[in-house]
Amino acid sequence: EIVLTQSPGTLSLSPGERATLSCRASQSVSNAHLAWYQQKAGQAPRLLFHGPSNRATGIPDTFSVSGSGTDFTLTISRLEPEDFAVYYCQQYGDLPFTFGQGTKLEIK
Amino acid sequence: EVQLEQSGGGLVRPGRSLRLSCAVSGFRFGDYAMGWFRQAPGKGLEWVGFIRSKPYGGTAEYAASVKGRFTISRDDSKSIAYLQMNSLKTEDTAVYYCTRENYYGSGSYAVYWGQGTLVTVSS
Repeated sequence: EIVLTQSPGTLSLSPGERATLSCRASQSVSNAHLAWYQQKAGQAPRLLFHGPSNRATGIPDTFSVSGSGTDFTLTISRLEPEDFAVYYCQQYGDLPFTFGQGTKLEIK
Repeated sequence: EVQLEQSGGGLVRPGRSLRLSCAVSGFRFGDYAMGWFRQAPGKGLEWVGFIRSKPYGGTAEYAASVKGRFTISRDDSKSIAYLQMNSLKTEDTAVYYCTRENYYGSGSYAVYWGQGTLVTVSS
């Protein structure tokens, strides 16, 4: 199974700052089938990107993704208060589908 | 508006069974794969499995941790997806989410999520 490792585990930043979240796969992600989700406390996850750079409906352009193969990055160019949450990457190209352990983005 | 309404969670003894339901509206149920995920208390997300739409065979795939114990099914006439959970273990305790997937023959990702339902397995 493909193991996804996200870093850092926790990222402490202030509103207005830039956030860079990493997702590294133990082997190449098939067909770039990588997704990013945002989860706020007590809520269901929300799809941010799939495939890997197709932005989901309603996601602002302050969010962007890059990468291919085994290394992927989610960038939030300018943090808003509502962006502080936990972010997960998921590969959905090879069974079993797997998640990274998540990056918690917290207010500094 | 897409809606996924989950039901069926609760407290259950180890070794017993429970069935979760996911009733959907706002899209043509038969055209889409449906997925299930879970999240143990204070932990990250875990993929449980998904079921393809009938045009793609209607077959299901499962995580190793639940294979042989859990069964995903669908009733296209009622627009409901099910997760039948048998031989439950304490480590199955989690919030379970159903999802509407996008699956086009290779890979499946979750676009819409239900509200989640808590399953607690305890004696």
